[in-house]
Amino acid sequence: AQKITQTQPGMFVQEKEAVTLDCTYDTSDPSYGLFWYKQPSSGEMIFLIYQGSYDQQNATEGRYSLNFQKARKSANLVISASQLGDSAMYFCAMRDTGTASKLTFGTGTRLQVTL
Amino acid sequence: GAVVSQHPSWVICKSGTSVKIECRSLDFQATTMFWYRQFPKQSLMLMATSNEGSKATYEQGVEKDKFLINHASLTLSTLTVTSAHPEDSSFYICSAIKALDNSPLHFGNGTRLTVT
Repeated sequence: AQKITQTQPGMFVQEKEAVTLDCTYDTSDPSYGLFWYKQPSSGEMIFLIYQGSYDQQNATEGRYSLNFQKARKSANLVISASQLGDSAMYFCAMRDTGTASKLTFGTGTRLQVTL
Repeated sequence: GAVVSQHPSWVICKSGTSVKIECRSLDFQATTMFWYRQFPKQSLMLMATSNEGSKATYEQGVEKDKFLINHASLTLSTLTVTSAHPEDSSFYICSAIKALDNSPLHFGNGTRLTVT
C-alpha cells in the first residue's frame, strides 16, 4: 500500500523568503507520480507541480520547484519568494500504476506567510 | 482549460433527507471521476471512483447504498447522499481526469454539506 507523509502540520515564512514543505512517500511500484496541490481557505484544490518517478530532472513551475530525492523517497516542495497569497494548506499526493489514477494525499501542511 | 464545475457549493439539509451533488467537466471528456470527502482540518479521503457507464468502485468503509454515484455521461457525475445524518456533514469534492496517464487531477470547488 502506498503512503504519503507530511510531517509539518504548520509552517511560517516571511514574505519574499523561500520555504520548503516536506513530503516523503512509500510505494513498491517503480512507476509513480507525485503531485502538490494548494488548498486556500475557500476549499478548491489547485494543482501546482508534478514529478514522475522516471523524470531525470526536478520539476519546476514558476516559483514552485520540487526537490525530488528518489533514493530517500522524498519530494519536497520549494516555494521561492513567498507571497501573502501563498498562505494556504499544501497537500502532497501520489499516484502509482496500481491505483487506477486515483491520488493518495498526505495530511497537509498549513503555510502562513507573514510580513 | 481543464475546468471542473461542482454544484452546489454549499447546502444545508435536515436529517433524513437526500442531497445530490453534481460534478461536471466543462471543457473535456472525463472517463473517470473521483469523489473525495474532507473533514475539517483533515486531508482528502477518497470515497469512490466513478467510470462513465459502469458502477462506481467504492473505497473500503464507504457505504455504497448511502453514497450513490452515477456517471451517466462523459461530462457529468453525481453523488447523492441518501438519508443524511449530522455525521455526514463534510466537504465533498470531486475531481476528473482527462487521460489515464500522469495528467493531474482537476478538482471542482467542492460542496460544503451541513446536515442539521
